[in-house]
Amino acid sequence: AQSVTQPDIHITVSEGASLELRCNYSYGATPYLFWYVQSPGQGLQLLLKYFSGDTLVQGIKGFEAEFKRSQSSFNLRKPSVHWSDAAEYFCAVTILTGGGNKLTFGTGTQLKVEL
Amino acid sequence: DAGITQSPRHKVTETGTPVTLRCHQTENHRYMYWYRQDPGHGLRLIHYSYGVKDTDKGEVSDGYSVSRSKTEDFLLTLESATSSQTSVYFCAISDKEYQPQHFGDGTRLSIL
Repeated sequence: AQSVTQPDIHITVSEGASLELRCNYSYGATPYLFWYVQSPGQGLQLLLKYFSGDTLVQGIKGFEAEFKRSQSSFNLRKPSVHWSDAAEYFCAVTILTGGGNKLTFGTGTQLKVEL
Repeated sequence: DAGITQSPRHKVTETGTPVTLRCHQTENHRYMYWYRQDPGHGLRLIHYSYGVKDTDKGEVSDGYSVSRSKTEDFLLTLESATSSQTSVYFCAISDKEYQPQHFGDGTRLSIL
């Protein structure tokens, strides 16, 4: 079965500093990979996705992620964090079964931004 | 934002009572999903639908049933609620199988 690991439960960075959130997946074939962000009391918003092609993908709000097959990783990065980026971030992987894409989520990383 | 409405947004009920949560979409998307979110577990898939009257189980389906009689509505039912089903429930939709899912704002369910 597929699985997703986000090793960092909490991360604190200073505003303006760079950010990298780690995500490792376990799956035999090339997966479809996603990063979502969740603000308190809200639903999940899609930041970016990787299906195929260029392994560096750009998303919204200045985020990017790099797919590294050899490391089974899909880490999320941002060069300069803003206070409004404080939220919980989820990495997810899916397989296509003919009946929709059934996402498997990591347990999330809570980002705190210090001013 | 995708047109997804979850109702109710909050509910408190007692153990043993039936509970139905509704997900309504205005996007005419084929695929609909129910997840639950619990601390330390992320989101886990309960059930999903790939068309009207076409549903299947997800990772944590025990104690839950679903129905989809119209494209726009996907109902999640707890036949006899238990305290372990206290959670935040999210509905999601997608147009094509390979397209990302878009999420509703969630329903916070407390079972006492």
